[in-house]
Amino acid sequence: AQKITQTQPGMFVQEKEAVTLDCTYDTSDPSYGLFWYKQPSSGEMIFLIYQGSYDQQNATEGRYSLNFQKARKSANLVISASQLGDSAMYFCAMRGINAGNNRKLIWGLGTSLAVNP
Amino acid sequence: DTGVSQDPRHKITKRGQNVTFRCDPISEHNRLYWYRQTLGQGPEFLTYFQNEAQLEKSRLLSDRFSAERPKGSFSTLEIQRTEQGDSAMYLCASSSDKTAETQYFGPGTRLLVL
Repeated sequence: AQKITQTQPGMFVQEKEAVTLDCTYDTSDPSYGLFWYKQPSSGEMIFLIYQGSYDQQNATEGRYSLNFQKARKSANLVISASQLGDSAMYFCAMRGINAGNNRKLIWGLGTSLAVNP
Repeated sequence: DTGVSQDPRHKITKRGQNVTFRCDPISEHNRLYWYRQTLGQGPEFLTYFQNEAQLEKSRLLSDRFSAERPKGSFSTLEIQRTEQGDSAMYLCASSSDKTAETQYFGPGTRLLVL
C-alpha cells in the first residue's frame, strides 16, 4: 500500500531564511510521482512542485526545490528566502504512474509552516 | 485562463437534508477528482472521472453519496440524508495528460451539518 509520512506537525522559520519540510513515502509501484501542495487558511490547495520517480534531476520551481532521495524514499521540500505569505499548511502527496485507472493522490497529514517577521 | 471553480463555497445544512455541490474543471482537462478533507487531516480520495466515466470510487463513498459528470464537463457531488460526520471541506481537482497529470484544485466547498 502507498503511504506518505510527514513527521513535522509544525515548523517556524525567520523571514528570508530557508526551510526544509520533510516527506517520506512508501510504495511498491515501480513508477510514481511526488507532489507538494500549499494550503493557506482560505482552504484552496495550491500546486507547488512535482518530481517523477525516474527524473534524473531534482525538481525546482522558483523558490521551491525538491530534495529527492530515491533510495531513502524521501522527497523533502526546500523553500528558500521565506516570505510572510509562505505561512500555510504544506502537504506532500504521491500517486502511481502508469497505474491503470488509479489516478488518486495519497496524502500526508501536512506540516504547518509559520514565517516570523 | 480560468482555474477549477466550485459552488457553493460554503454550505450549512441540517442533519437529514440533501446537498449538492458543483465543480467546473479547467477546460480541456479530461480527468476530474473529488476529495474530502476534515480538520487536521490531508485530503481523502472519494471518486474519479475520466471524461464522463466514473472509474473509481472510494469505500468512503457510502450509498448516500453520488457523483456525476454528464457530458464530461462539470461534475456534481450529492450527499443524501446528511449526517454530522459529513461536515468537511469537499475539494475538486482536474488534470490532463498535457500537465503530467498534475491535479489542480478548486477553492473547495465547506460543508457544516448541524
